[in-house]
Amino acid sequence: DAGVTQSPTHLIKTRGQHVTLRCSPISGHKSVSWYQQVLGQGPQFIFQYYEKEERGRGNFPDRFSARQFPNYSSELNVNALLLGDSALYLCASSYRVADSYEQYFGPGTRLTVT
Amino acid sequence: AQKVTQAQTEISVVEKEDVTLDCVYETRDTTYYLFWYKQPPSGELVFLIRRNSFDEQNEISGRYSWNFQKSTSSFNFTITASQVVDSAVYFCALSVTYGNNRLAFGKGNQVVVIP
Repeated sequence: DAGVTQSPTHLIKTRGQHVTLRCSPISGHKSVSWYQQVLGQGPQFIFQYYEKEERGRGNFPDRFSARQFPNYSSELNVNALLLGDSALYLCASSYRVADSYEQYFGPGTRLTVT
Repeated sequence: AQKVTQAQTEISVVEKEDVTLDCVYETRDTTYYLFWYKQPPSGELVFLIRRNSFDEQNEISGRYSWNFQKSTSSFNFTITASQVVDSAVYFCALSVTYGNNRLAFGKGNQVVVIP
């Protein structure tokens, strides 16, 4: 079975631009989470969606938004990009929203803001 | 709030040596889950082990073992007989359910296995 997939793999944007990152969960998984990992740090939680509803939001500004589609895939949108948004963006899926279910991560999208 | 601390940043070992990674967590909740993830240079986080707060039994899975002690809020992880393929960043993470299963990660340990 295919794992979590993310697109694009790499992305270079300019300050002030907008970016959309995409994620497809493992088949049968209904929850998608987004994490930001700055170089040298652990991943930081951004959003979690389950059955198209937002279930959690981390400490990120309103420039960050996300949504989940009926097929459980998800998009992460970031507006008005800042240099500090340069990071690896990881998507994770799990079967349900409960801490007993481990999350499986995709390969990430590396975003560089210049 | 949940917090995970991994004190050591980079650990170098010679192949076949054992390596132990320390993890200390903070949470006020009585029900929680602890995880270890591995991040090789490719960047993808790989799930290794999970332990819930009600089960302090320590186990061994292949070359991996873990020591969970609620009294000291520690969840240490050991790789026995390390191999070059074990070179990666290892993250300890904590999950508490508040309508979601967000993970709070530590800063990670860079493990370098020298052949």
